[in-house]
Amino acid sequence: AQKVTQTQTSISVVEKTTVTMDCVYETRDSSYFLFWYKQTASGEIVFLIRQDSYKKENATVGHYSLNFQKPKSSIGLIITATQIEDSAVYFCAMRTHSNYQLIWGSGTKLIIKP
Amino acid sequence: EAGVTQSPRYAVLQEGQAVSFWCDPISGHDTLYWYQQPRDQGPQLLVYFRDEAVIDNSQLPSDRFSAVRPKGTNSTLKIQSAKQGDTATYLCASRLGQSQNTLYFGAGTRLSVL
Repeated sequence: AQKVTQTQTSISVVEKTTVTMDCVYETRDSSYFLFWYKQTASGEIVFLIRQDSYKKENATVGHYSLNFQKPKSSIGLIITATQIEDSAVYFCAMRTHSNYQLIWGSGTKLIIKP
Repeated sequence: EAGVTQSPRYAVLQEGQAVSFWCDPISGHDTLYWYQQPRDQGPQLLVYFRDEAVIDNSQLPSDRFSAVRPKGTNSTLKIQSAKQGDTATYLCASRLGQSQNTLYFGAGTRLSVL
C-alpha cells in the first residue's frame, strides 16, 4: 500500500524562527518523487519543493529545505526565517513510477505569530 | 509563463442545480487533473486526462459528474443536480508528460451547495 502521513495537525511559531514539519511515506516502489505544497487562505495550492528518491542531497529552494531520511521513509520540510505570510496549510505528497496519482498527506496548518 | 487558470472562483447553488467549472492548463501541459477538496482535507482525485483522453475517471460520481477535454487543452467539469455533499473546492492541475514532473494547481473554485 502507498500512504503519506502527516501527524502534526497544527504548529504555531513566532516569526523569524525555524520550523520543521514532519512527513512519513510508505511505498514498495524503488523510484518515487516527494513533494511539498502550500495551500494559502485563498485556497490556492502552490508547489514549494521536491525530492527525487534517487538523489542523496537534500533539496533546497529559497528558505525551504528538506530533510530526506530514506531509511526512515521520512521527508521533513524545514522553513527558516519564517514570515507571517508563511502561515498556511502545508501538504506532503508522493508519486511513484507505478502510480500516476499523487498521494497526499492530511496537511499541517502552520501559524506564524508576530 | 501563465499558470493554471480556473473559473469561476466561487459558486453558490441550491440543491438540484447544475454548475460547470472551467480550467485552462499551463500551455503545453498534456496531462490535466481535476480534484475535489472538502474542507480541512487533502485533495481527492476525480478524473485525469492525457491530451483529450480520459485515463482514469473511476472516482468521478458518474451519475452526476462529467468532465471533458475535447481538444486536449481546456477542460470543463460539470455537476448535474448538485447535492449538499458536493460542497468543496474543485481544483484543476496540470503537468507535462513524465510522471516525475511537478503538478501545478489553479486557484480552485469554491462551491457551496445550500
